[in-house]
Amino acid sequence: KAGVTQTPRYLIKTRGQQVTLSCSPISGHRSVSWYQQTPGQGLQFLFEYFSETQRNKGNFPGRFSGRQFSNSRSEMNVSTLELGDSALYLCASSYDGGRGQPQHFGDGTRLSIL
Amino acid sequence: GQQLNQSPQSMFIQEGEDVSMNCTSSSIFNTWLWYKQDPGEGPVLLIALYKAGELTSNGRLTAQFGITRKDSFLNISASIPSDVGIYFCAGSVNTGTASKLTFGTGTRLQVTL
Repeated sequence: KAGVTQTPRYLIKTRGQQVTLSCSPISGHRSVSWYQQTPGQGLQFLFEYFSETQRNKGNFPGRFSGRQFSNSRSEMNVSTLELGDSALYLCASSYDGGRGQPQHFGDGTRLSIL
Repeated sequence: GQQLNQSPQSMFIQEGEDVSMNCTSSSIFNTWLWYKQDPGEGPVLLIALYKAGELTSNGRLTAQFGITRKDSFLNISASIPSDVGIYFCAGSVNTGTASKLTFGTGTRLQVTL
């Protein structure tokens, strides 16, 4: 079955702009999590959505937000972009986010801020 | 943000050799996962561990959930060129949901012929 799909794969923005990234989970998966990957900080958890509700949140500023739709697809939004937001943003899905339901990742969106 | 201590950071090995890497945490986890990431791609799940002391294999890969629940080990036997990549451990503490993963710093594996 199809894996996690993230669009777009690459994005270039300038400081101050905002951006929206999209994630389609594996069919039947209802939990979607977002991670930021940078060379300095590694992979860091942003937030998790389940049944259209944010269920878990990492330590990122309020400029980072997300939402989930009734078909489990999720979007992540970053407002007022800063140079430090340049990163690979990864989306992962699991059936319900519960123990025993490991997360499967998409190939990410590489965001570059100029 | 928090990252788990993973070692070694990188390793060069010859094809056919066995590889060991480990991951340690100051916190107790009730789930340990091992992923491999190739350039330009997302992490791919290799092995999932759910019980202290558990030993699980996936082909040439074997991983163990440490008895203290603060560490995990991954072994690769008879390495081949396609084993090249970055290996990440990840742990989860939540009993309700396991969605918030804390990742290790990664082990970069390079295999020479």
